[in-house]
Amino acid sequence: GNSVTQMEGPVTLSEEAFLTINCTYTATGYPSLFWYVQYPGEGLQLLLKATKADDKGSNKGFEATYRKETTSFHLEKGSVQVSDSAVYFCALVYNQGGKLIFGQGTELSVKP
Amino acid sequence: SAVISQKPSRDICQRGTSLTIQCQVDSQVTMMFWYRQQPGQSLTLIATANQGSEATYESGFVIDKFPISRPNLTFSTLTVSNMSPEDSSIYLCSVFGNNGYTFGSGTRLTVV
Repeated sequence: GNSVTQMEGPVTLSEEAFLTINCTYTATGYPSLFWYVQYPGEGLQLLLKATKADDKGSNKGFEATYRKETTSFHLEKGSVQVSDSAVYFCALVYNQGGKLIFGQGTELSVKP
Repeated sequence: SAVISQKPSRDICQRGTSLTIQCQVDSQVTMMFWYRQQPGQSLTLIATANQGSEATYESGFVIDKFPISRPNLTFSTLTVSNMSPEDSSIYLCSVFGNNGYTFGSGTRLTVV
């Protein structure tokens, strides 16, 4: 079946460090891919998305590229801030309006 | 994006009782979803609620335990029935609209 796998957390980084959170997926066809962020005590917010192969989603300094050949959608940021501390979820969906399938989430903690 | 008001934000309930969670959207949406996020885990879809039809439940979730109402295009409720400590989770509603998926801030339920 379709699934999403993320790297284990928690990830602890110092401010201004480079961030990579790995995400790979198993799916037939070509799903749309998303990264969501959940700040402490809040709901999920869409961070970025990509709807087809080789698309790059970007927002707030975060980037992720839809790699069909490696079935991956790794999240990167060149210089993290304390305010980026949150839980990050990778997700996929086949049809807009359909069921989102989430990875297990990766907790990021950024220290000053 | 649609704005979702989810209530209550948190509750502590006695086992054997029921809790109804409300989700109010500021615009009309066709697709509404209810998710469960167990402690330290990812989001699992409970059911899809479309106005004018019965909710569609995912494997492992049944209507008797999680009855859902969807009386119109801006409102839905999820009831967690006959609660046990294993039902302690965050419950989130989500909608799909013109700007993609939006999530409520969640209801943190603790069953004692």
